Amino acid sequence: AQSVTQLDSHVSVSEGTPVLLRCNYSSSYSPSLFWYVQHPNKGLQLLLKYTSAATLVKGINGFEAEFKKSETSFHLTKPSAHMSDAAEYFCVVTKMDSSYKLIFGSGTRLLVRP
Amino acid sequence: GAVVSQHPSWVICKSGTSVKIECRSLDFQATTMFWYRQFPKQSLMLMATSNEGSKATYEQGVEKDKFLINHASLTLSTLTVTSAHPEDSSFYICSARGGVSSYEQYFGPGTRLTVT
Repeated sequence: AQSVTQLDSHVSVSEGTPVLLRCNYSSSYSPSLFWYVQHPNKGLQLLLKYTSAATLVKGINGFEAEFKKSETSFHLTKPSAHMSDAAEYFCVVTKMDSSYKLIFGSGTRLLVRP
Repeated sequence: GAVVSQHPSWVICKSGTSVKIECRSLDFQATTMFWYRQFPKQSLMLMATSNEGSKATYEQGVEKDKFLINHASLTLSTLTVTSAHPEDSSFYICSARGGVSSYEQYFGPGTRLTVT
């Protein structure tokens, strides 16, 4: 069965410093993986997606993630945090059946200190 | 492109009444739409999967008679919360899948339901 684990419920960084949000997945097959961001009382916005092409995926707003099969990880990074990056981030894996359902991680709240 | 809208964005209703939430794909035809529920400071919980022209498939533990889903066209799905109670108060989010073989879902902005 597929699953995804976000290792940190909260991450706090100072503005201008690097961001690392960790995600590990479990899947019998090569999955599709996504990172979504949710600002308070808003819907979800796709940051980036991995679909078995390049293992280093670049997304919007300077975010990128690297798919590491040997470590079953898909960590999200950004070189320099901005105040506007403060939000909830979800790592998501696809369910490998014909349902096209998504399996969500529990989320990581990113706090950015001035 | 790939915009999904929801209406209303927030609604307050009295206990015992019914509320309808609309989800529309504005610039693409949605093969499948999904309805999620999100409690404060929690992740999204899938409630049901909706395919145009067929009955919705509900996740285990979701009452299909309470959460009525209709997917009348390739651009519109509705969720009706029937006989709402305070415990139904939540943030409801829909998403839509466009491509035949695409796993990517486009999410609506969500609807905040408060039942008094």
